Amino acid sequence: DADVTQTPRNRITKTGKRIMLECSQTKGHDRMYWYRQDPGLGLRLIYYSFDVKDINKGEISDGYSVSRQAQAKFSLSLESAIPNQTALYFCATSDFGGGALDTQYFGPGTRLTVL
Amino acid sequence: GNSVTQMEGPVTLSEEAFLTINCTYTATGYPSLFWYVQYPGEGLQLLLKATKADDKGSNKGFEATYRKETTSFHLEKGSVQVSDSAVYFCALIPRGTSGSARQLTFGSGTQLTVLP
Repeated sequence: DADVTQTPRNRITKTGKRIMLECSQTKGHDRMYWYRQDPGLGLRLIYYSFDVKDINKGEISDGYSVSRQAQAKFSLSLESAIPNQTALYFCATSDFGGGALDTQYFGPGTRLTVL
Repeated sequence: GNSVTQMEGPVTLSEEAFLTINCTYTATGYPSLFWYVQYPGEGLQLLLKATKADDKGSNKGFEATYRKETTSFHLEKGSVQVSDSAVYFCALIPRGTSGSARQLTFGSGTQLTVLP
């Protein structure tokens, strides 16, 4: 079984709808992240969480919110989706610490299309 | 701020050709450097990394050497295979920072296609 799972894998929605993307991990890591990937822009950080009580905004948090329900679960919500939020969304995890522990482990991604 | 610049793609090579994907960075101090690979339809996975100057990261026949003097971390492979077709991302994490500052900064990615 995959260590980092994301649901759904694909979603098409309409402008103004509320959408939730879910991420679960079995790696036992404290840190979890949400990124979006757009062609030619690489990955950009939306939100990150160092533990259940520690949630932080990333580079592009406007229009998004998150919830860390447990160590293993981190959800991303689009309160009112708009077309420019059409992108590929990735969840990732990492262990606490520096050096080798900075390696992040990514889920398979959710392709979101907002019409 | 921190930034990573990669050579623009797409890159198309024949099987067994030599591969170089250039990566340069801007960061305060000496960051840790990474190459991640994204195969079609999958998430990113770590390919290799280096944490200090002159370190060489290697994996699956790929290599990259941390060059402090040129602030570079170019990815190389001597003989590519069709299965190497993927998007490759260079990334960094600043050193000497903690908490929220220790976040990955990614390059824009380079698409590699290897033809049989």
